[in-house]
Amino acid sequence: GEDVEQSLFLSVREGDSSVINCTYTDSSSTYLYWYKQEPGAGLQLLTYIFSNMDMKQDQRLTVLLNKKDKHLSLRIADTQTGDSAIYFCAEKEEGGGNKLTFGTGTQLKVEL
Amino acid sequence: NAGVTQTPKFQVLKTGQSMTLQCAQDMNHNSMYWYRQDPGMGLRLIYYSASEGTTDKGEVPNGYNVSRLNKREFSLRLESAAPSQTSVYFCASSRENNQPQHFGDGTRLSIL
Repeated sequence: GEDVEQSLFLSVREGDSSVINCTYTDSSSTYLYWYKQEPGAGLQLLTYIFSNMDMKQDQRLTVLLNKKDKHLSLRIADTQTGDSAIYFCAEKEEGGGNKLTFGTGTQLKVEL
Repeated sequence: NAGVTQTPKFQVLKTGQSMTLQCAQDMNHNSMYWYRQDPGMGLRLIYYSASEGTTDKGEVPNGYNVSRLNKREFSLRLESAAPSQTSVYFCASSRENNQPQHFGDGTRLSIL
C-alpha cells in the first residue's frame, strides 16, 4: 500500500527558515497536502500542490515537489514561535475517491 | 463559520460500552471522513462517505460502524468499546473529489 514518511522532530531558532521533508511511495499521487496541528486542535490545511507542479509559494510557505524522487518539502521562511506545531504531509492517490494517506507528522519546535 | 463540528470533545468509556461520535459540517460538502490519530502513526482512515447515501471502509474499519444521516451529518459508532480504540478521532469533509479536506477539532476517547 501507500506509504508516507516524515522525520519526527525538527528544532529551529526563531527567524531562521524551517524545512520539513516528506517522502512517499505512490507514483500515482495526484495531490499532496501540508497540514498543521497545534496542541489539542484539529488539522489545519496549510497548502497543497498538484503533482504536475514543481513549486508553489504562498507568503512564508514554499512547497517543493520532486516527483522523480517522490520527495515533498515545506519551507517556512522567518519561522516564528507561533509556527511550533506538528506538520503532516498527505498524499491523494489517483482514483479511489478522495482518500488521503498521511505521514506520521513532524514536530517543529521554534526556540528563541 | 463553524466548519466541521464534532461532539463530544472528550469521553471516557468502560470496555464493552457503546458510543456514537457525532460530526456535522455546514459547508455543503459532499464527502465526509472519519480518522483516528494515534501517537507515531499519523492519521488512519476508518470509514468515508463519498456522497450522501454511500459509505466505504477505510484502512482500519474493524470495530466501527458509520451512518451518513444526511448531507450534513456523518456519525461513527463503537458498538462494544475496547481499550485498543482509545484514540483521538477526527471527522473531515471535502466538497468533492480532488478538493482539500477540512477537519474538526477532534474527539478524545479513552476506554478503560
